[in-house]
Amino acid sequence: GAGVSQTPSNKVTEKGKYVELRCDPISGHTALYWYRQSLGQGPEFLIYFQGTGAADDSGLPNDRFFAVRPEGSVSTLKIQRTERGDSAVYLCASSLVRGHIQYFGAGTRLSVL
Amino acid sequence: KNQVEQSPQSLIILEGKNCTLQCNYTVSPFSNLRWYKQDTGRGPVSLTIMTFSENTKSNGRYTATLDADTKQSSLHITASQLSDSASYICVVSGRAGGTSYGKLTFGQGTILTVHP
Repeated sequence: GAGVSQTPSNKVTEKGKYVELRCDPISGHTALYWYRQSLGQGPEFLIYFQGTGAADDSGLPNDRFFAVRPEGSVSTLKIQRTERGDSAVYLCASSLVRGHIQYFGAGTRLSVL
Repeated sequence: KNQVEQSPQSLIILEGKNCTLQCNYTVSPFSNLRWYKQDTGRGPVSLTIMTFSENTKSNGRYTATLDADTKQSSLHITASQLSDSASYICVVSGRAGGTSYGKLTFGQGTILTVHP
């Protein structure tokens, strides 16, 4: 498709487990962003990639969170030792270059039981 | 800390009526302000984008205003439809050269419900 694709759409896991969330950006977009949205709140910035490198990871809440974009396209957000407080919708967005309009995926709803 | 505050938190109106949503921000230096519409279970979709030099911008029944001096914006919806029911999120981006460049600061959103 032509939009940002995120998989899975829903993920249920147990406390302490490891999860990976995938984002396929729009083809040709060099900038990729991850956000976390809790119920009733606006999205909160997590990390921004320009190409393959994480240009700004100041939003990652702690070292249990990690993200990669090895080939400058698909990105994976990895969460270790999940906690119930990690439950949220994780949104991915991409833009042609930094500062341009961001297009969002539908998100992955993570539920940690 | 850069912040975006929206009001009201939620709003219920009858189909066909108009409504106005408010947004105040403290992001500085400021580059642009966007209004997004987020349907339940979907990612946000951009409605309008305004730079600091623009006062108003329309997109169909949506009209956004911006006062960069008072750091306030509003989104006016005319002749509301049932499909307008969604969360409307005010988003501010910082200017190039600042630490917020390219990074979006989101408000918490206003949940609009349009009843028939």
